[in-house]
Amino acid sequence: DAKTTQPPSMDCAEGRAANLPCNHSTISGNEYVYWYRQIHSQGPQYIIHGLKNNETNEMASLIITEDRKSSTLILPHATLRDTAVYYCIVRDFGNEKLTFGTGTRLTIIP
Amino acid sequence: ETGVTQTPRHLVMGMTNKKSLKCEQHLGHNAMYWYKQSAKKPLELMFVYSLEERVENNSVPSRFSPECPNSSHLFLHLHTLQPEDSALYLCASSQGDRKSYNEQFFGPGTRLTVL
Repeated sequence: DAKTTQPPSMDCAEGRAANLPCNHSTISGNEYVYWYRQIHSQGPQYIIHGLKNNETNEMASLIITEDRKSSTLILPHATLRDTAVYYCIVRDFGNEKLTFGTGTRLTIIP
Repeated sequence: ETGVTQTPRHLVMGMTNKKSLKCEQHLGHNAMYWYKQSAKKPLELMFVYSLEERVENNSVPSRFSPECPNSSHLFLHLHTLQPEDSALYLCASSQGDRKSYNEQFFGPGTRLTVL
């Protein structure tokens, strides 16, 4: 089981911030939150991960609630190339396995 | 380019054929993975190799046979497949040293169609 819940689809206007939510209410203390995305007909691409602090890199920001039961991936200025399926995954640090759910299909509208 | 290549990109085969999928990683990683992505379904982990030893086999039918001759190469040998095996087969690699966050890098996949 994926252990996360995401909305099946979202739209976002080009140039605006895309905020993708994820619920992981059963997350345990040693599990990290990872985000990957899959552009059509390509392999998944790592975006970002975090444990309990907010994280930012060149692709996105990750906001994790204080109780760690949910998180939000933020793409600050969405472009058409950000149209993809976004996967939120919880995973033990150092665990080889990634368990993918059905993700959120994000469509960027021109 | 992720540093993980897969060949062929597309493959059509009959149920009686034998074929092989190839994956190569140029990242110096020591763990490699095969995933299956069927239409409208989440990615499913099939096999995990760490340091060239198989450490995970998720109840995959024996008509799928993996091979990892070294840490840079991974094969998936296919024989007597069924039409329901048609899917996108993805290879990935990671550092796998349990000291890092083990980000997995994926190849572009092989689109397999079984007639």
